Amino acid sequence: DAKTTQPPSMDCAEGRAANLPCNHSTISGNEYVYWYRQIHSQGPQYIIHGLKNNETNEMASLIITEDRKSSTLILPHATLRDTAVYYCIVRVAIKAAGNKLTFGGGTRVLVKP
Amino acid sequence: DGGITQSPKYLFRKEGQNVTLSCEQNLNHDAMYWYRQDPGQGLRLIYYSQIVNDFQKGDIAEGYSVSREKKESFPLTVTSAQKNPTAFYLCASSFRTELPGYTFGSGTRLTVV
Repeated sequence: DAKTTQPPSMDCAEGRAANLPCNHSTISGNEYVYWYRQIHSQGPQYIIHGLKNNETNEMASLIITEDRKSSTLILPHATLRDTAVYYCIVRVAIKAAGNKLTFGGGTRVLVKP
Repeated sequence: DGGITQSPKYLFRKEGQNVTLSCEQNLNHDAMYWYRQDPGQGLRLIYYSQIVNDFQKGDIAEGYSVSREKKESFPLTVTSAQKNPTAFYLCASSFRTELPGYTFGSGTRLTVV
């Protein structure tokens, strides 16, 4: 699986958009980009995933660059409840590889009033 | 509502004792996973199981054991051989498809006293 690089921490103002970058320069063509978040002392929560097209759901948007070497998770209007550690994970999507996900250090996001 | 339940939420163990953490899901997921998380760190995979009666070691399996006798249940035993068992333990489950969207439990915090 391709390795990801994320900034260790970032702050965001409440009500503003939070843009979380992730670098995955060694990603291969059949690898998806996943985002999860973990609020303190809880289990991680799935946010969104994508292959090459931009994706949007009720929680966030995922922008993947054309060369797929990096992506950005966008929380459009951050609230205090969005304070969490955000994990960017790259994973091949074939049954033979199994479903293991590897979680790195993530980005610790602090939303400030 | 479907979900994944871990119990207990907090667990205290004396040194030298084995202890079993429970994980039950009613999502009809095929695959189940155990992760360990130390303070300020990411998640590390202990064991995973893709089907009943079958499981594989993850990255840090030493000192742990699991069983998968039922699709709904994947208990983790922390044995006395685990040198540093104090940690936050997370169980997850997913369908055994190409795209591993995980559902996590709320975790068990184990403390050795």
